[in-house]
Amino acid sequence: EAGVAQSPRYKIIEKRQSVAFWCNPISGHATLYWYQQILGQGPKLLIQFQNNGVVDDSQLPKDRFSAERLKGVDSTLKIQPAKLEDSAVYLCASSLDRSGVGYEQYFGPGTRLTVT
Amino acid sequence: GIQVEQSPPDLILQEGANSTLRCNFSDSVNNLQWFHQNPWGQLINLFYIPSGTKQNGRLSATTVATERYSLLYISSSQTTDSGVYFCAVVTEHGSGNTGKLIFGQGTTLQVKP
Repeated sequence: EAGVAQSPRYKIIEKRQSVAFWCNPISGHATLYWYQQILGQGPKLLIQFQNNGVVDDSQLPKDRFSAERLKGVDSTLKIQPAKLEDSAVYLCASSLDRSGVGYEQYFGPGTRLTVT
Repeated sequence: GIQVEQSPPDLILQEGANSTLRCNFSDSVNNLQWFHQNPWGQLINLFYIPSGTKQNGRLSATTVATERYSLLYISSSQTTDSGVYFCAVVTEHGSGNTGKLIFGQGTTLQVKP
């Protein structure tokens, strides 16, 4: 069974530029998560989708971050314009969870973003 | 919200030694997972263990949900075990429970040859 796929693996941009990340979850997984991991910290949820609806985006900086999950499968996370503090690893995860009861989550390899 | 605390923050071992990593959490949980983050940043699932004990090769984990802690045991450590180990939970209670994982700060393990 294929795991969670993400691209690109690395990205370097200048501040005020835009960037987009792509995620393809494990086949059949209803719920997709985007986490941000700043160096030296544990990952923190940015946004959670169930099928193509948003379940939780309370920690997403909506003035610069946006995300979508068209057709309930692939997802794209965008940052526009980027700030220096957005430098982090962006991790996508998926699970079978449909009701927040806590099914096992599986993570992709992540995208390491450096903003200069 | 729920607090997740891991100890120790850093651990240095000689190859072949055993170790125990601890995760304390402040509220009831529906899910507890242990991950190993390798040097390339990938989070590798080690255990899904909201309660009870599981073993996988040299690794085992125990979660005592009633006392709100989990332990990860690494026996006969190898240099490839180096990296950061994270504990993460899904809280059972509260209006904010959507199934998201709340991570601890991690334990950084270095195994020397």
